[in-house]
Amino acid sequence: ELKVEQNPLFLSMQEGKNYTIYCNYSTTSDRLYWYRQDPGKSLESLFVLLSNGAVKQEGRLMASLDTKARLSTLHITAAVHDLSATYFCAVETSGTYKYIFGTGTRLKVLA
Amino acid sequence: GAVVSQHPSRVICKSGTSVKIECRSLDFQATTMFWYRQFPKQSLMLMATSNEGSKATYEQGVEKDKFLINHASLTLSTLTVTSAHPEDSSFYICSASTGRISGNTIYFGEGSWLTVV
Repeated sequence: ELKVEQNPLFLSMQEGKNYTIYCNYSTTSDRLYWYRQDPGKSLESLFVLLSNGAVKQEGRLMASLDTKARLSTLHITAAVHDLSATYFCAVETSGTYKYIFGTGTRLKVLA
Repeated sequence: GAVVSQHPSRVICKSGTSVKIECRSLDFQATTMFWYRQFPKQSLMLMATSNEGSKATYEQGVEKDKFLINHASLTLSTLTVTSAHPEDSSFYICSASTGRISGNTIYFGEGSWLTVV
């Protein structure tokens, strides 16, 4: 059974600081996704990582994937208040199109 | 871009009644759709995979007689919560796949808040 864990679960950080969210998964997978969720809303797609060593960046967020370690990271650079949200990674179980979501990381950026 | 729409976005129903949530792919055909539920401040839990023209595949621990899923067309899947109880109150999110030919992109709906009183 595929399990996906994130850490930390909660993150409170000051504006301007850097931090990394980690996503570990238990079995091999073809694809890994990062999503953002604002309170009361659905998911906003951030990144799709399709291969070992993949790195994608958008603004202050950068995601990477190490399939050998079964680890993905979401790095936040110089955080701003608008990044406050819950971030989920999701792993697609090979050949099924089913996503298993991580536990989520609730990020609060303090002004 | 592709859009997946859910309706209603919010619904309140009485205990013991049934409520239906619709998930529509607005500009693509989705042979496969997925239903998730999310309790407050928790992650999304996959409930079932909905396949057009066939029975849904439920995840372990999900009661198929309580959560009826129908995928009658390539653009519509419905989730019916039968004999709803307060513990069924949750945020329900669907997603739809564009399929292998179109790169198997997944799009999520806006979600539906269900409150059972």
